[in-house]
Amino acid sequence: NAGVTQTPKFRILKIGQSMTLQCTQDMNHNYMYWYRQDPGMGLKLIYYSVGAGITDKGEVPNGYNVSRSTTEDFPLRLELAAPSQTSVYFCASSLGNRGSGGSPLHFGNGTRLTVT
Amino acid sequence: GENVEQHPSTLSVQEGDSAVIKCTYSDSASNYFPWYKQELGKRPQLIIDIRSNVGEKKDQRIAVTLNKTAKHFSLHITETQPEDSAVYFCAVKNTGNQFYFGTGTSLTVIP
Repeated sequence: NAGVTQTPKFRILKIGQSMTLQCTQDMNHNYMYWYRQDPGMGLKLIYYSVGAGITDKGEVPNGYNVSRSTTEDFPLRLELAAPSQTSVYFCASSLGNRGSGGSPLHFGNGTRLTVT
Repeated sequence: GENVEQHPSTLSVQEGDSAVIKCTYSDSASNYFPWYKQELGKRPQLIIDIRSNVGEKKDQRIAVTLNKTAKHFSLHITETQPEDSAVYFCAVKNTGNQFYFGTGTSLTVIP
């Protein structure tokens, strides 16, 4: 299993450009997530999905869009990139609820995005 | 959403000493509490987790305790080693399967 794969690893965008961050997982997890991590900060939830065709907003969704057409893929779209979107983006997946609790997030290696 | 507070933000210990990191959360329905270790430039990796029906869990030098009544949980690392130096994040999962993270603790183990 490759786990969670993110591409690209690095990207520099100009203000106003758009791009898609790709995320795919081969663990047949229903739950997928996008987080951003700013320097010295924790991870903030952007969007999440509980299964194919279902997505929902997290803590910081403005400026982003997602889609979930398959179980495996969960791309994150940035429209009209702004300097405030400079960050490291992590995609993660999870099996979901298990017994009386949950199961852990499995993270990709991240995409380092700079908007100038 | 969930409010997760993590303390301290930085922690320095001598090699061999213990380290304790604490987190509080706001949603009493939250049911899963993982801890992640993140080395510089790397992705967060799970080191231990605890479910809401358990009060304590131990894995070698690492332990986690959960107090559901007080809505706080703690990470304990004993016999610290230089390779334990990293940033540690607590997280809380709610019943909607959303994970919320603390702001991290930068642990430095001094040889």
